[in-house]
Amino acid sequence: KAGVTQTPRYLIKTRGQQVTLSCSPISGHRSVSWYQQTPGQGLQFLFEYFSETQRNKGNFPGRFSGRQFSNSRSEMNVSTLELGDSALYLCASSLGLAEFHEQYFGPGTRLTVT
Amino acid sequence: TQLLEQSPQFLSIQEGENLTVYCNSSSVFSSLQWYRQEPGEGPVLLVTVVTGGEVKKLKRLTFQFGDARKDSSLHITAAQPGDTGLYLCAGEEDSNYQLIWGAGTKLIIKP
Repeated sequence: KAGVTQTPRYLIKTRGQQVTLSCSPISGHRSVSWYQQTPGQGLQFLFEYFSETQRNKGNFPGRFSGRQFSNSRSEMNVSTLELGDSALYLCASSLGLAEFHEQYFGPGTRLTVT
Repeated sequence: TQLLEQSPQFLSIQEGENLTVYCNSSSVFSSLQWYRQEPGEGPVLLVTVVTGGEVKKLKRLTFQFGDARKDSSLHITAAQPGDTGLYLCAGEEDSNYQLIWGAGTKLIIKP
């Protein structure tokens, strides 16, 4: 079974631009979560989508948004990029059921904002 | 807001030594997961513990969930360079599917 894939793997953007990251979950997984990871803040939860609906949301500004499609693939968008948005963005999929919300992570997208 | 505190934040030891990493909270979790992340990759799930007092072994790694389901530990016996990585714990809240993440323990095993 194929793992979680994320595209692109690396991205360089300029402050003020916007960016869209893509995530394809493991087949059969209905939940996709997004995380931001930086050396200073660690792993920070952005949001989770389950069956095309946002089920949980972390404490990030509205510039960060996401969506999930009917095939469970997900995208996240960051508008008006700031230097502090430079980070590794990780996507994780899970079955999304009540028991053991175990996360299967993709390799991440490394975003650099200059 | 539930918090998970991991300690130590950083650990560098020689190959062959034993070590323990801790994950503590003042709140109760329905389950707790441990992950290992290597540079340039996403975290990989190692184990999930569910029952208070539960002990699970994965080769040289021993995971324990506290009796009250508020804390957990990871013990590595005879550490090897391949154990190097960032170890993360994540607790699942009872009702809303959300995971609470610890800040991680960066472990370096020197040959």
